[in-house]
Amino acid sequence: NAGVTQTPKFQVLKTGQSMTLQCAQDMNHNSMYWYRQDPGMGLRLIYYSASEGTTDKGEVPNGYNVSRLNKREFSLRLESAAPSQTSVYFCASSGGGAGQGYEQYFGPGTRLTVT
Amino acid sequence: GQQVMQIPQYQHVQEGEDFTTYCNSSTTLSNIQWYKQRPGGHPVFLIQLVKSGEVKKQKRLTFQFGEAKKNSSLHITATQTTDVGTYFCAGPVWYGGATNKLIFGTGTLLAVQP
Repeated sequence: NAGVTQTPKFQVLKTGQSMTLQCAQDMNHNSMYWYRQDPGMGLRLIYYSASEGTTDKGEVPNGYNVSRLNKREFSLRLESAAPSQTSVYFCASSGGGAGQGYEQYFGPGTRLTVT
Repeated sequence: GQQVMQIPQYQHVQEGEDFTTYCNSSTTLSNIQWYKQRPGGHPVFLIQLVKSGEVKKQKRLTFQFGEAKKNSSLHITATQTTDVGTYFCAGPVWYGGATNKLIFGTGTLLAVQP
């Protein structure tokens, strides 16, 4: 059981380049999330998917797009990277909603630098 | 908008000292979760509190949910170097009568000197 996996682990981009961060979970979870973590800012939600086929914006969605490819996979795309998107990106999954008391399981993170 | 704040932002203790972090929400929470993130690692779920005034213990860690369900605390007795990391509280974000989202607190970074 790998849990939540993310690729790549590290990435350096130049301003204006695009890339896709991949996330997969093998826990048969319905909900998946993308967060970014910046020093002193905690975890901020970018996008989430409550279930297969649905996606919704979080707190900081600008500059990002997502795709819930199937129940297992949830990708995050940066169309035109900017230095402000330098951050650590975490994918997470949960069996259900936070309001119902489901905890979230996090992947190891992708450390992205945009120069 | 809904906010969850934690204090302190950073605490440095000598090994064996106690540590407490406090979490305060701008709104009433249906439940509160606590996560720990080791340096260079990812957040890992520790515990969930649901009832008003609830207290739960995990070995040297004691978690409490306030009576008004707007605040919570994590107390570590006799810290060890293995306790080093950032501790986050998180609560559900209610939107349109339902929620799938968590809002995370700003976190408290704990440093333990041997």
